[in-house]
Amino acid sequence: NAGVTQTPKFQVLKTGQSMTLQCAQDMNHEYMSWYRQDPGMGLRLIHYSVGAGITDQGEVPNGYNVSRSTTEDFPLRLLSAAPSQTSVYFCASSWRTPSTMNTEAFFGQGTRLTVV
Amino acid sequence: SQQGEEDPQALSIQEGENATMNCSYKTSINNLQWYRQNSGRGLVHLILIRSNEREKHSGRLRVTLDTSKKSSSLLITASRAADTASYFCATDAGTDKLIFGTGTRLQVFP
Repeated sequence: NAGVTQTPKFQVLKTGQSMTLQCAQDMNHEYMSWYRQDPGMGLRLIHYSVGAGITDQGEVPNGYNVSRSTTEDFPLRLLSAAPSQTSVYFCASSWRTPSTMNTEAFFGQGTRLTVV
Repeated sequence: SQQGEEDPQALSIQEGENATMNCSYKTSINNLQWYRQNSGRGLVHLILIRSNEREKHSGRLRVTLDTSKKSSSLLITASRAADTASYFCATDAGTDKLIFGTGTRLQVFP
């Protein structure tokens, strides 16, 4: 099993460009989520999904879109990149939602994004 | 604002010593989890404690939970250099969201 796979690992964007960060998991997990990690801020939740076709906003959703057309994939789209979106992005998945049992989250290795 | 706040922000100890990290949170929870992050890597799940549990052990890890004080602590006994990492608590905040704290950076010197 590959677990949670994120691509790309590194990306440099110019201000105003758009791009999609890919996330795929092969564990048949219902719950998937995206976080950004900035120095001194810990991880902040951007968007999450409790199952295919269902997405919702997290703590810092502005400037990002998500969709969940399949159980396996949960791409994160930056609509118009801004320097404030320079960060490390992590995708995570778990069997069920965080408030239930079997909720251990598995993380990808991260995408380091720089917006210039 | 973030649900969890860890204390201390940074901790340096010698190998063999115990390391204690604390986490405070703001709202009612169903579960509280602890994760470890090695530099430049993704997070790895360590342990989960449910709101009706007060203490849980896993190897050299001991987690306590006090829901009346909305706080948890993670104790790593007999620390090793390989324990050097950042440690985060995370809660569900009674929702479908997994919210992380700001983390404690642990440095264990050989």
